Amino acid sequence: AQKVTQAQTEISVVEKEDVTLDCVYETRDTTYYLFWYKQPPSGELVFLIRRNSFDEQNEISGRYSWNFQKSTSSFNFTITASQVVDSAVYFCALSEGYGGATNKLIFGTGTLLAVQP
Amino acid sequence: GAVVSQHPSRVICKSGTSVKIECRSLDFQATTMFWYRQFPKKSLMLMATSNEGSKATYEQGVEKDKFLINHASLTLSTLTVTSAHPEDSSFYICSASPSGRQTGELFFGEGSRLTVL
Repeated sequence: AQKVTQAQTEISVVEKEDVTLDCVYETRDTTYYLFWYKQPPSGELVFLIRRNSFDEQNEISGRYSWNFQKSTSSFNFTITASQVVDSAVYFCALSEGYGGATNKLIFGTGTLLAVQP
Repeated sequence: GAVVSQHPSRVICKSGTSVKIECRSLDFQATTMFWYRQFPKKSLMLMATSNEGSKATYEQGVEKDKFLINHASLTLSTLTVTSAHPEDSSFYICSASPSGRQTGELFFGEGSRLTVL
């Protein structure tokens, strides 16, 4: 069965520190998509990244970077030089199916990141 | 970019009443939409898949008579919480994907916070 585990419930860092949010997934599919979303206190989900299972290249976008390791079924997210505005709950998610068959997402339990000034 | 809008963003109702939440894709057509539920400080759980012109597909444990879903057009899905009770208080979020687009290209609504007194 598909499952997404975010073992870190809460993380607190001081501004300018780097922080890594862990995500481990389980799936029997050979093709799947992984996502990271940010949920600020207002509640809306902010899309950060989508990665398909065939693309193991790491990605960097500004202060954000993602490390996808199929061998360990992990898709970790690092924020460099964290800022107070980064404070939010971050969700890792896994989609089932292939080629548009489904866009159902399975979410991890989320990691609450608190960046202190 | 594609936008998904939910209405109302907040609703407070008395126990026993029914509440309708709308999810609209504003600049694309969506054959399928998804409804999620999020309890405070918890993850998002998929409730059902809304299919345009046909019955919704509910996840295990979700009462279809309690949570009525109607997807009458390619841009609108509605979730009606019937005879709401305090335990139905939650944050409801919908997502949609443009028809014919690749898996994982999802857009989430802003969410609707339901409080049942």
